[in-house]
Amino acid sequence: GAVVSQHPSRVICKSGTSVKIECRSLDFQATTMFWYRQFPKQSLMLMATSNEGSKATYEQGVEKDKFLINHASLTLSTLTVTSAHPEDSSFYICSARSGGKPNSPLHFGNGTRLTVT
Amino acid sequence: QKEVEQDPGPLSVPEGAIVSLNCTYSNSAFQYFMWYRQYSRKGPELLMYTYSSGNKEDGRFTAQVDKSSKYISLFIRDSQPSDSATYLCAMSARIGLTTDSWGKLQFGAGTQVVVTP
Repeated sequence: GAVVSQHPSRVICKSGTSVKIECRSLDFQATTMFWYRQFPKQSLMLMATSNEGSKATYEQGVEKDKFLINHASLTLSTLTVTSAHPEDSSFYICSARSGGKPNSPLHFGNGTRLTVT
Repeated sequence: QKEVEQDPGPLSVPEGAIVSLNCTYSNSAFQYFMWYRQYSRKGPELLMYTYSSGNKEDGRFTAQVDKSSKYISLFIRDSQPSDSATYLCAMSARIGLTTDSWGKLQFGAGTQVVVTP
């Protein structure tokens, strides 16, 4: 089946530093990828939609200057958490539609556990 | 009121029993329904998806959709300890007339399932 690879799986950083998370579609091209955030025992919250070759679309309440998204190719999207603070500690998960169509099922990466100290 | 309601559990069942999970929703425009399984510290894994009312079976899994009641279910037969995970329902609506007019996925909070040996 479709594979979405996310790296790193876990990162610890100091407050004020920036962290970059990569999301790759390994066996298909993804013009659109999605970034989610998940708090313990809570559901996934969509942060932004990453569009290849254009600006990302952010959900209401998500700071676009803090969560920088770049989708430079059909197989790679990156999320950079800038000037991270402890409240940014969370589980970040990317996803992509394997079929390239809006109604194709979403496949998820294995997530990145970010801890900001 | 949340658009998608899902009991967080935990739901504990003995090995071999049938696991019954469900979600209710309020938006009658939802037409596309999915179930994901999420192991601890991992990304969600797509189990099943369907567009229509009725039953869909895949191995030990059966997904049921009742649009008139705005209610979806997932049944796991002959449950195994390896089925212990959090199960999330997700759904989306078509927001336009063209094939690329699907809205974003709305997730339930997830139900934690524990299958005891």
